[in-house]
Amino acid sequence: TQLLEQSPQFLSIQEGENLTVYCNSSSVFSSLQWYRQEPGEGPVLLVTVVTGGEVKKLKRLTFQFGDARKDSSLHITAAQPGDTGLYLCAGLDYKLSFGAGTTVTVRA
Amino acid sequence: GAGVSQSPSNKVTEKGKDVELRCDPISGHTALYWYRQRLGQGLEFLIYFQGNSAPDKSGLPSDRFSAERTGESVSTLTIQRTQQEDSAVYLCASSLYGGSDYGYTFGSGTRLTVV
Repeated sequence: TQLLEQSPQFLSIQEGENLTVYCNSSSVFSSLQWYRQEPGEGPVLLVTVVTGGEVKKLKRLTFQFGDARKDSSLHITAAQPGDTGLYLCAGLDYKLSFGAGTTVTVRA
Repeated sequence: GAGVSQSPSNKVTEKGKDVELRCDPISGHTALYWYRQRLGQGLEFLIYFQGNSAPDKSGLPSDRFSAERTGESVSTLTIQRTQQEDSAVYLCASSLYGGSDYGYTFGSGTRLTVV
């Protein structure tokens, strides 16, 4: 059973456009994390959100955590080819449970 | 070490053979996790170690899969009598302790191909 649903599954955009990736959970986790994975590498942590309603910004990336702590979104402004990768959300209790991921392709 | 190290990086094996995958976590990290990732998919939890005990091994797909960890150090994941459906990337991660908000540090994985 997939606890975390991510949408869309695939996203292909032109450099300079904005994009949003969604993560919805059937459970409440103590925190939610976003990772980015490039081919042939393990996922790398981008951010951890803990508090309902929290918004975190990392340069051109904005992360939101829903008030009920069951959903989250990742928004990228003015996407660049270097943003290409698999974006994974994960809910944390004592272990991480991952969504299936969103494959983002930014075309130059 | 500076990061999580996994070996081998690639393994091709014949169906029915046993394989051992190794993970060296970050020194001082008490928690260690194994995940499996099929092509284009998310990460599927296999097993969690806290120290050298495994409080959660609920993700191991069958009794052909086993794992052990020596102290708070190296872990090995063993797959016996490999099947083609075992082909995947096996990722290891470590963290300071289970449930840490500091996140996991992942290795680059072992790509297993069963032919």
